[in-house]
Amino acid sequence: KAGVTQTPRYLIKTRGQQVTLSCSPISGHRSVSWYQQTPGQGLQFLFEYFSETQRNKGNFPGRFSGRQFSNSRSEMNVSTLELGDSALYLCASSRGLLNEQFFGPGTRLTVL
Amino acid sequence: GENVEQHPSTLSVQEGDSAVIKCTYSDSASNYFPWYKQELGKRPQLIIDIRSNVGEKKDQRIAVTLNKTAKHFSLHITETQPEDSAVYFCAASVPLMKTSYDKVIFGPGTSLSVIP
Repeated sequence: KAGVTQTPRYLIKTRGQQVTLSCSPISGHRSVSWYQQTPGQGLQFLFEYFSETQRNKGNFPGRFSGRQFSNSRSEMNVSTLELGDSALYLCASSRGLLNEQFFGPGTRLTVL
Repeated sequence: GENVEQHPSTLSVQEGDSAVIKCTYSDSASNYFPWYKQELGKRPQLIIDIRSNVGEKKDQRIAVTLNKTAKHFSLHITETQPEDSAVYFCAASVPLMKTSYDKVIFGPGTSLSVIP
């Protein structure tokens, strides 16, 4: 069974630009969550999608948005990038949120 | 509120000794508590989880205990080995008010080093 995949693996952007990250969950998993990981901050919850609906979101500004498609693939978008957005962005899929989450390899975003 | 605290932030133990990581959570409605291990340069992976209807769960050298009254839970690793060296994250589910949906909030992590 293929694992969670994320593209691209690395991104370099400049302040003010926008970026779109993609996540393909494990086949059969309908829940996709997104996390921001920075040194010392651990895993900060961004949002969770289930069957194309955002069910929950964390405490991030509106510049961070996402969506999920009918095949459960998910994208997250960050607009008007700031230096502080530099981080590893991880997505995780599961059958339901209160079950084991399987993480992707992450997208390393660097904002210059 | 939704907050998960984790201590210590770093922990060094000698190979063969035990390691204990403690977490506290703030939402009394939390009912799912997973632990994830992240080795350097790799993705987090679930190592054990516990639900609020049990007080303890064990899987070989790893055990987790839950005290719902005090709102804290702990990870215990016995007979530590160098390959246990990693960052460990505790987490707790936080229900979204007036819905049956939850989110999982992670603690800041504990960097465990097992010295051979």
